[in-house]
Amino acid sequence: KQEVTQIPAALSVPEGENLVLNCSFTDSAIYNLQWFRQDPGKGLTSLLLIQSSQREQTSGRLNASLDKSSGRSTLYIAASQPGDSATYLCAVAVGRGSTLGRLYFGRGTQLTVWP
Amino acid sequence: EAQVTQNPRYLITVTGKKLTVTCSQNMNHEYMSWYRQDPGLGLRQIYYSMNVEVTDKGDVPEGYKVSRKEKRNFPLILESPSPNQTSLYFCASSLKVPVLSYEQYFGPGTRLTVT
Repeated sequence: KQEVTQIPAALSVPEGENLVLNCSFTDSAIYNLQWFRQDPGKGLTSLLLIQSSQREQTSGRLNASLDKSSGRSTLYIAASQPGDSATYLCAVAVGRGSTLGRLYFGRGTQLTVWP
Repeated sequence: EAQVTQNPRYLITVTGKKLTVTCSQNMNHEYMSWYRQDPGLGLRQIYYSMNVEVTDKGDVPEGYKVSRKEKRNFPLILESPSPNQTSLYFCASSLKVPVLSYEQYFGPGTRLTVT
């Protein structure tokens, strides 16, 4: 069974810092990895999706990398802002045939950016 | 507006009283899924559906039922709710199966309390 781990569980930084969130998974046979943001009391918003054949994806101040062989992904946030405060989750898509729709989530990193 | 809607958003009920949480999407998505989110456990997949009349179990299907009679709707049914089903529930959809690299869109969540 796929296990997804996110480190750290919580992170508190001053505004302007560059930071890295980590996600690791136990089974490297994934199809893709997706990073989400969750605000308190809200649903999840997709940030970046990396296909298994890709090494990284970028969107604005966000950059996500994927090293499938080592079972790791990192989300880099440049020049953090208070509005970045949220919980960040990663999820991996796995499965073949009848299990093609399975997804596994990490428990998230709760980020606080203070002014 | 493209969205996933869930109803109700909040529900308090008693043990054993059957309930249904509705989920609807207006994006003509083929794939839909239900998750529960619990502190310390993260998001876990309950059931998913790759298309109409096709449903499969996720990680934690016990105590839940689903049906997919039409593309836009994917209700979650608790025939006999128990206190351990107290949780935050999310419905999600994507154009096709996520392993094929289609991002997921999440509903706002339903907070269920079973006493």
